[in-house]
Amino acid sequence: EVHLVESGGQVVQPGGSLRLSCAASGFRFDDVPMHWIRQVPGKGLEWVADVSWDGGTTHYIDSVKGRFTISRDNNDNYLFLQMNSLKTEDTAVYFCAKDYGSGSHSLDSWGQGTLVTVAS
Amino acid sequence: SYVLTQPPSVAVAPGMSARITCGGHNIGNKVVHWYQQRPGQAPLLVMYYNNGRPSGIPERFSGSNSGNTATLAISGVEAGDEANYYCQVWDTNTDHLLIFGGGTKLTVL
Repeated sequence: EVHLVESGGQVVQPGGSLRLSCAASGFRFDDVPMHWIRQVPGKGLEWVADVSWDGGTTHYIDSVKGRFTISRDNNDNYLFLQMNSLKTEDTAVYFCAKDYGSGSHSLDSWGQGTLVTVAS
Repeated sequence: SYVLTQPPSVAVAPGMSARITCGGHNIGNKVVHWYQQRPGQAPLLVMYYNNGRPSGIPERFSGSNSGNTATLAISGVEAGDEANYYCQVWDTNTDHLLIFGGGTKLTVL
């Protein structure tokens, strides 16, 4: 059974940094791309970033380019999101999600999310 | 960037059929996926590749995609189907973005 568990969310001041982690199990982690998606409580879903199976290719939504970095550790089955220069508008629940693979760009398993609050 | 438009809400009586639409320019030329999100839970993939049902998703759920509209249909709606539903595409014309629709709240009357 696929299991994704996010951690690292907390309250941080504007301009601060945070590193989110996602522990993955139950599937061949190094076979598929992985994603981060965020959701402001009570609002819709917003894709944030993705990383290829080998970590060699990454993509970001424009609003986080230059501030966030997605990475992965295929030895220990972890996905990361380094978040720098945080803004109040980055406040959201952050989900990690597994790509179905085969170029589908669909997200077939999600973690339960971790809440990031950016406030002074 | 590419925009997906969903109605904010759809209401249906138990046992009836619900249709949730997702509008986008020539969306029929794209692959659409659908997610269900119950309150307080993570999203769940309920339809992929326009009309494919992942394992465990009831046959009551079906999908279609043509022209400028993709549709998620749920027949024999049950109370447990009450949730927010999101469509999603991969926009090949911009910087490799996964784009979600704004979501539709399905209310079972």
